[in-house]
Amino acid sequence: DTEVTQTPKHLVMGMTNKKSLKCEQHMGHRAMYWYKQKAKKPPELMFVYSYEKLSINESVPSRFSPECPNSSLLNLHLHALQPEDSALYLCASSGGSAEVQETQYFGPGTRLLVL
Amino acid sequence: GEDVEQSLFLSVREGDSSVINCTYTDSSSTYLYWYKQEPGAGLQLLTYIFSNMDMKQDQRLTVLLNKKDKHLSLRIADTQTGDSAIYFCAEIPPRDYKLSFGAGTTVTVRA
Repeated sequence: DTEVTQTPKHLVMGMTNKKSLKCEQHMGHRAMYWYKQKAKKPPELMFVYSYEKLSINESVPSRFSPECPNSSLLNLHLHALQPEDSALYLCASSGGSAEVQETQYFGPGTRLLVL
Repeated sequence: GEDVEQSLFLSVREGDSSVINCTYTDSSSTYLYWYKQEPGAGLQLLTYIFSNMDMKQDQRLTVLLNKKDKHLSLRIADTQTGDSAIYFCAEIPPRDYKLSFGAGTTVTVRA
């Protein structure tokens, strides 16, 4: 099973709202990732958690706040977003018992619209 | 994606073979990947190749790697309408977390 799940599938929020995106994997992977993807562009890395600790933050604005409650879950808390933050947010995971540790498996994404 | 380059568009007739090309610059890359993204969906891992291999075949997919020229290609045999998607080439150095993606090739399959 190489499944990463994400909720919600779609999200519409105002610039003053607070919302959270959720990601879950049960593959025993030890690294989890958040990416942002604009239409017709490749994904851009935002954050990497390794063994539940934040290891990479790609200079993401503080209105995005990641959280890794345990090795299977990854959240992205959103607050005071801007319309330009509208995008597809992808979660991925890698490592653990995978044949190739570096191989990243992606979830279906949350399509976010900020009004 | 500056380190990985792909052509942006490919149009192919149903039943023909598709060939998507990619060049990369990081000679330390260990694994090279092909991901497929259908409209409104996430990225689906199609296949990968280890940098010391020349070729990998998986059903309709054939990956060719020319390490000397840092050139990677994905051939899809008997292309179907369900193969219409954006295909991303990506590379990663050993023991790293940062995938470098190409810009993506939009493949359109026409009847």
